Amino acid sequence: GESVGLHLPTLSVQEGDNSIINCAYSNSASDYFIWYKQESGKGPQFIIDIRSNMDKRQGQRVTVLLNKTVKHLSLQIAATQPGDSAVYFCAELPGNTGKLIFGQGTTLQVKP
Amino acid sequence: GAVVSQHPSRVICKSGTSVKIECRSLDFQATTMFWYRQFPKQSLMLMATSNEGSKATYEQGVEKDKFLINHASLTLSTLTVTSAHPEDSSFYICSARTSYVHEQFFGPGTRLTVL
Repeated sequence: GESVGLHLPTLSVQEGDNSIINCAYSNSASDYFIWYKQESGKGPQFIIDIRSNMDKRQGQRVTVLLNKTVKHLSLQIAATQPGDSAVYFCAELPGNTGKLIFGQGTTLQVKP
Repeated sequence: GAVVSQHPSRVICKSGTSVKIECRSLDFQATTMFWYRQFPKQSLMLMATSNEGSKATYEQGVEKDKFLINHASLTLSTLTVTSAHPEDSSFYICSARTSYVHEQFFGPGTRLTVL
């Protein structure tokens, strides 16, 4: 079936370094993509989104890149902080269903 | 921003009992609510989609008679796990959306443990 997958299950970075979390998606009909952060025992928290007519969007310390040619999505976190430690999920929204499809998740560990 | 709450946040019950989980949109009207289940170290899996005033649409493999969903108002949806068994133990998360935007707003989740 269609799925959204992540290349790295766990990413460990040093505090202050930049983090890059990758995601591959398979549904070419998806026109909206979102990155979520989930801390232990909590619900997903919206980080940033991007529409399919864009290839880059920046927020505060975060940047999302979309490459539709290879169906790849990435989340860049600048100057990673201990508070960024969490599981990060990408999700895609196919325009014809209205239902989010979540990727497998990447655990980000920030070392002090 | 939009806030979604869930109640209870944590519930422990005996096998065979039924458990009701509430999902509320606190400051907006949710025309659509979604229920997800998340097992440890796994992703969120959509269980069902409910629109206010109509029957829920269940994903393949989700038993509609076991997971009863009611979306009686624009601010409240409930998920009832009937005759719960240990394998139903999971983290249940709801989300809500208005008809005007794509974004789903997620609740804090409910940890269900069936003994």
